[in-house]
Amino acid sequence: QKEVEQNSGPLSVPEGAIASLNCTYSDRVSQSFFWYRQYSGKSPELIMSIYSNGDKEDGRFTAQLNKASQYVSLLIRDSQPSDSATYLCAVRTTGFQKLVFGTGTRLLVSP
Amino acid sequence: GAVVSQHPSRVICKSGTSVKIECRSLDFQATTMFWYRQFPKQSLMLMATSNEGSKATYEQGVEKDKFLINHASLTLSTLTVTSAHPEDSSFYICSARGGGEGTRTDTQYFGPGTRLTVL
Repeated sequence: QKEVEQNSGPLSVPEGAIASLNCTYSDRVSQSFFWYRQYSGKSPELIMSIYSNGDKEDGRFTAQLNKASQYVSLLIRDSQPSDSATYLCAVRTTGFQKLVFGTGTRLLVSP
Repeated sequence: GAVVSQHPSRVICKSGTSVKIECRSLDFQATTMFWYRQFPKQSLMLMATSNEGSKATYEQGVEKDKFLINHASLTLSTLTVTSAHPEDSSFYICSARGGGEGTRTDTQYFGPGTRLTVL
């Protein structure tokens, strides 16, 4: 079982819709959760971090964390074509230096 | 805050030569830096974790003698690809773990990457 799992997609949504990206992780003691966006040919950029159960909102982005279900998601409201990218979920366990990345979900927002 | 730079952004070299890539945290001190490699349409692959002043920790399957990592200061880490071959052509990305104002110590901030092409 992979440590961090994401559906590779592509997830296709029309412009203006809500895009929902999901991620599950296997290590129950994971403490820090991150969403990165990676455009083709570019390096990842941090979108959001979340540490506690519940929702965290930042502009059009909402991260949701459910530690009991070992599930973290990212919602993108009012999706724009410029949101088309690969979204990487990353998890860090206390005591470990490195982040464990999922393979990413490719999002396509059509005009 | 949390800007990480890489140099060069793109390099083309002949097979058998060595290439050095620099990674700098510009506005914060990074006690830990990470080096990744990414082949086209594939996910990030962690190569090694680098702590300032100590030897790097390499992931399984990564040759430490081929990919030399030096983390001599809190703002600079270098990756040297020795005797590069065409199969080493890839996108190399560094990241630095935060620790200064405007950053979090558990967050990794990525550099823009270096595209290496070995002829």
